[in-house]
Amino acid sequence: SQQGEEDPQALSIQEGENATMNCSYKTSINNLQWYRQNSGRGLVHLILIRSNEREKHSGRLRVTLDTSKKSSSLLITASRAADTASYFCAQNRDDKIIFGKGTRLHILP
Amino acid sequence: DAGITQSPRHKVTETGTPVTLRCHQTENHRYMYWYRQDPGHGLRLIHYSYGVKDTDKGEVSDGYSVSRSKTEDFLLTLESATSSQTSVYFCAINRLAGGYEQFFGPGTRLTVL
Repeated sequence: SQQGEEDPQALSIQEGENATMNCSYKTSINNLQWYRQNSGRGLVHLILIRSNEREKHSGRLRVTLDTSKKSSSLLITASRAADTASYFCAQNRDDKIIFGKGTRLHILP
Repeated sequence: DAGITQSPRHKVTETGTPVTLRCHQTENHRYMYWYRQDPGHGLRLIHYSYGVKDTDKGEVSDGYSVSRSKTEDFLLTLESATSSQTSVYFCAINRLAGGYEQFFGPGTRLTVL
């Protein structure tokens, strides 16, 4: 499979804590993307990081990329109940985007 | 919201019947995609289109066909539905925001009995 792999598969944390999700991929990339999916909805694009970037921020999101290790991480700071969702990393491959299997994040009150 | 709608949103059908799912976009994007999402597998690409009448296979194309006769509509057809095709189907378009980020429709939940 060409899919990336997210780790962990599921994560539960207390509201206010930080959540970190990791993504490993197998082949070289031009960029890597992260998406969020709320229950019963389509995926929503969160952030894109290019292969020549090491870190990128968007609000409470911080994404890092280590091309030597073929890995990326998504950090959500000061988590909120509304962050409960599944998070997917994705790689561009020619005209296609290959998605990982996702991390299910649950924010506990 | 990229103006993507899917129809129907829910469908229950019987094994062996043909099923067509429709994806409609209002923004004239060239690339359109069909995915299925199943527990434990994430999102898997079925077919995609890079223009009117231009389509190509994805990772899990067996048992599916597609057609795109006009820019705004991308149809996914199950010629003879099987229970293994019970899934949630998502349509997506590419918005070339510097990196091919995708925008997704709301999904169609298909149950094949």
